[in-house]
Amino acid sequence: KAGVTQTPRYLIKTRGQQVTLSCSPISGHRSVSWYQQTPGQGLQFLFEYFSETQRNKGNFPGRFSGRQFSNSRSEMNVSTLELGDSALYLCASSFSPSGGNTGELFFGEGSRLTVL
Amino acid sequence: AQKVTQAQTEISVVEKEDVTLDCVYETRDTTYYLFWYKQPPSGELVFLIRRNSFDEQNEISGRYSWNFQKSTSSFNFTITASQVVDSAVYFCALSGGVDSNYQLIWGAGTKLIIKP
Repeated sequence: KAGVTQTPRYLIKTRGQQVTLSCSPISGHRSVSWYQQTPGQGLQFLFEYFSETQRNKGNFPGRFSGRQFSNSRSEMNVSTLELGDSALYLCASSFSPSGGNTGELFFGEGSRLTVL
Repeated sequence: AQKVTQAQTEISVVEKEDVTLDCVYETRDTTYYLFWYKQPPSGELVFLIRRNSFDEQNEISGRYSWNFQKSTSSFNFTITASQVVDSAVYFCALSGGVDSNYQLIWGAGTKLIIKP
């Protein structure tokens, strides 16, 4: 059974640019969550999608957005990049209908974004 | 508001020693879940265990054991006879209801180094 796949694994952008990250969940999982991990702030929840609907959102500015497609694949977008957006972005999928806040999360290896 | 504290930033032990990772949580929810995840150098977090607030029974899985005590709001993780492969960052997480906005709240993580 294939795990959670995130692309790209590494990317470098400059301030002001935008970036799109992709996540393919485990087959059959309809819940996809995104997290930002930085040395200073640790793991922070960005948002969660279930059946193409955003079900929950963390405390991030509107520059951070996401969507989920009918095949459960998800993308997140960060516009007008800032230096502080440099981080490891982790995607997780869950089989649980109530999402990852109650069930087991399966994580991808992350997309490491560096903003120069 | 909910909070998870992992006071140990880094622990270093020699292989075969037992080691305990501490996790203290705060919540006003009466129903909540506690988790432990392992993050090896590759980046993806790996689910280890989930406990709900009504199940204080301790659990043992091979060399791993967990001690959940509601009286002290703690959910500690012990590795017996540690091995080099146990080296990773370990995260404790908490989720519940309204008090957490139905999100996973993560501790800062404990970096565990097992020396041969």
